[in-house]
Order: sequence, then structure tokens, then C-alpha cells
Amino acid sequence: NAGVTQTPKFRILKIGQSMTLQCTQDMNHNYMYWYRQDPGMGLKLIYYSVGAGITDKGEVPNGYNVSRSTTEDFPLRLELAAPSQTSVYFCASSIAGGNTGELFFGEGSRLTVL
Amino acid sequence: DAKTTQPPSMDCAEGRAANLPCNHSTISGNEYVYWYRQIHSQGPQYIIHGLKNNETNEMASLIITEDRKSSTLILPHATLRDTAVYYCIVRPRIQGAQKLVFGQGTRLTINP
Repeated sequence: NAGVTQTPKFRILKIGQSMTLQCTQDMNHNYMYWYRQDPGMGLKLIYYSVGAGITDKGEVPNGYNVSRSTTEDFPLRLELAAPSQTSVYFCASSIAGGNTGELFFGEGSRLTVL
Repeated sequence: DAKTTQPPSMDCAEGRAANLPCNHSTISGNEYVYWYRQIHSQGPQYIIHGLKNNETNEMASLIITEDRKSSTLILPHATLRDTAVYYCIVRPRIQGAQKLVFGQGTRLTINP
């Protein structure tokens, strides 16, 4: 199993550009999440999904959109990028009804908006 | 979800036990204590969780006080690879999405 895979690992955007961060998992997990981490800070939840076709906002959803057309994929769309969106983005997944409630994280996507 | 308080940084000698404290004085009866760590800039990694009994796995031990207002994560024989930021999180263990709230954690440095 590859686990949770994120692409790209690094990206530089200009203000106002748009892009999609890709996330895919091969563990057949129902739940998927997007977090962002600013320098020296903890992670903040952007959006999450409890299954294909179902998404919901987290703590900091403004400026982002998500979709969940399949169990495996949970892309994060940034519209009109702003310097405040410079951050490291982590995708995670968890199993429904799992005993530990453990989240499995990807390696992160580092985004810089100039 | 209950708020947690952790020291911002700690040091420990290689080979010694690393004891990381966490205060969660407002924890409620249905909330579990979770520990994750983040090595350098990698994604966080689950370590252990517990409700009220002490727990142990291959990575660490979790000691929760009887009143559940604080806990300690113990890495019994710390190695250089244990240098990381450690996050203590409390939340209800309910079915559904695990919307964890990460604070700033404790930056643990293992010294040779």
C-alpha cells in the first residue's frame, strides 16, 4: 500500500492563479481530510469528507473548494490564490468505525503564493 | 473539544526516557486523549490514545491521571529519530470523521 499520496510536493503560484492539490489513498478509507499548517503552528482543518459525494467545511474553508467523486480521491481546489494561502497542506484519511480513530497523513504539499 | 496545554519545548538525552506532559483540565467523560508526532516537515504520525487506563504499544506508553486532567506520554528509550513535535489532542471517540484539533505541541529534541 502506498497509503496517502499527495501531488505536487512543491508549487509556487502567483496571486490570483488557481490550482488543484491532488490527494489519493489506497486503503479504502471512507473519511478524508485536508489540513493546512502555517510555519510554527499546528494543523488546521480545511474540509473533510465522510464518503463519496459528501463533503463538509472544517475550521478554515474560505478560499478553498473540494470534491469527492470516488472513495480514493479528494482534491483541494484553490481559487484566486492569495499570499495568506502560503502554507503546507496535508491530506489525511481514516477508516470508518476504526478502533483507534487513527488518521493517516500524506507527506504534504508545500505551496507558496507570491 | 477540550483544550490542551503542553510545554513548547523539551530536551532529553539519547537512551533516556522522554516524558512529555499534557494538561487537559477541562476534559469531559467521553473524551479520549490522543498523541501524534510530526517529524521535521512530514505528515503527523499517530502514536497512541487512551480514555482512562494507562496504555502501552510498541512506540510509547500513555499515563493518564486518575482525575483525567493530565497525561504523560513516555518514550522509554529515546533515540535521535524521536526528535519531533509531539501533539496532545483530546476529543470524543465517536463514530464519524475524526476532526482533530492540533495545537502547537511540544518540540522534543533528543541529544546525543
